[in-house]
Amino acid sequence: EVVMTQSPVALSVSPGERATLSCRASETVSTNLAWYQQKPGQAPILLIYSASTRASGTPARFSGSGSGTEFTLTISSLQSDDCAIYYCQQYDKWPPFTFGQGTKVEIK
Amino acid sequence: EVQVLESGGGLVQPGGSLRLSCGASGFIFSNFAMTWVRQAPGKGLEWVSTVTGGGGTTYYADSVKGRFTISRDNSKNTVSLQMSNLRADDTAVYYCAKGTRGFGDTHLDSWGQGTLVTVSS
Repeated sequence: EVVMTQSPVALSVSPGERATLSCRASETVSTNLAWYQQKPGQAPILLIYSASTRASGTPARFSGSGSGTEFTLTISSLQSDDCAIYYCQQYDKWPPFTFGQGTKVEIK
Repeated sequence: EVQVLESGGGLVQPGGSLRLSCGASGFIFSNFAMTWVRQAPGKGLEWVSTVTGGGGTTYYADSVKGRFTISRDNSKNTVSLQMSNLRADDTAVYYCAKGTRGFGDTHLDSWGQGTLVTVSS
């Protein structure tokens, strides 16, 4: 099973500043990695797939990068609406699909 | 517009059974794998099960293998999760989610709002 490890666990960023979230895979997953955003009480929504492709409706301030075992989600200019938990998920070596434990993004 | 909607959650005693259903619309249902993901209270996301678009192949997490059965009815655009021998650690919100192709090795591009399953005496 591929273990996905996200860091940091929580991140506090000032409005308009950059937020950088990391996701590491225990073995290579190529670029078969997705990022999801989950707000309290809501279902996750897809933000990024194939490591760097924005899903339909994802604002341009969200970008993904990386391949192999190291991945990054960047929010270029944090807005209050971006407060959420962000999960990475690999779909390269499955079953099982595996998710990271999540990074909580808060406004400073 | 793609829509996914779960139903069937509720309170069940340990050892009991429950059947979750998920209805979908807005896409050619049989062309896409469907997946159940769960989230225990205050915890992260855990993949549970996936069925391929044609329904011929199913996959399960080790934690539910032998107790849960996923199935789909492409004539009705529904996918179900039959859960038996439920345990307290099955307590979670269960999400139904759509894959992006017929086989399961994809990201999940549309999620339902979730249905809560509580296993407690």
